[in-house]
Amino acid sequence: QQPVQSPQAVILREGEDAVINCSSSKALYSVHWYRQKHGEAPVFLMILLKGGEQKGHDKISASFNEKKQQSSLYLTASQLSYSGTYFCGTETGANNLFFGTGTRLTVIP
Amino acid sequence: EAQVTQNPRYLITVTGKKLTVTCSQNMNHEYMSWYRQDPGLGLRQIYYSMNVEVTDKGDVPEGYKVSRKEKRNFPLILESPSPNQTSLYFCASRYLATSPYNEQFFGPGTRLTVL
Repeated sequence: QQPVQSPQAVILREGEDAVINCSSSKALYSVHWYRQKHGEAPVFLMILLKGGEQKGHDKISASFNEKKQQSSLYLTASQLSYSGTYFCGTETGANNLFFGTGTRLTVIP
Repeated sequence: EAQVTQNPRYLITVTGKKLTVTCSQNMNHEYMSWYRQDPGLGLRQIYYSMNVEVTDKGDVPEGYKVSRKEKRNFPLILESPSPNQTSLYFCASRYLATSPYNEQFFGPGTRLTVL
């Protein structure tokens, strides 16, 4: 039941933008986004509920298209601190959360 | 401080020697879950629990057991560990009631090596 994330990895220069996609084969109730620094626990970024809402967190925002069962995470004007692995977690309405395979983001000076 | 704790943080053991990884949360969360993280495979769910005495299998439950006798604790038991269970394990918890905007909190992780 894992959602599929793409791309698997991306390298950016500081100031560039990136989009990370998350898709599911099941109808979704919500999508969660987390960031994990190497060797640490994942840290919460945001939750999006069905209804197509968009959320924002500084220069990081996300959208949720429930018809396509997809969510996208947008990172604009990337900073070195954005480096890490990004996970989407999907919820199908049963309160259980399944996480994707992750997208490794590297921001270089 | 609101947190999820796991012990031990690092463990090296041998094949077949039973072990338990403890997980505890102090936020009165109903939902608790165990994940394993392996390179290229992301976070895969092992077991989860919606409340005391209510547990269910995730995607990769083989070789693991759990129990939920108290709300705050959710131990992961490996009765006969094998080398393919070498992994980084995360416990997580989440508040379920009322608001749907409930983030999931993760423990610091337990790195397990089975020789």
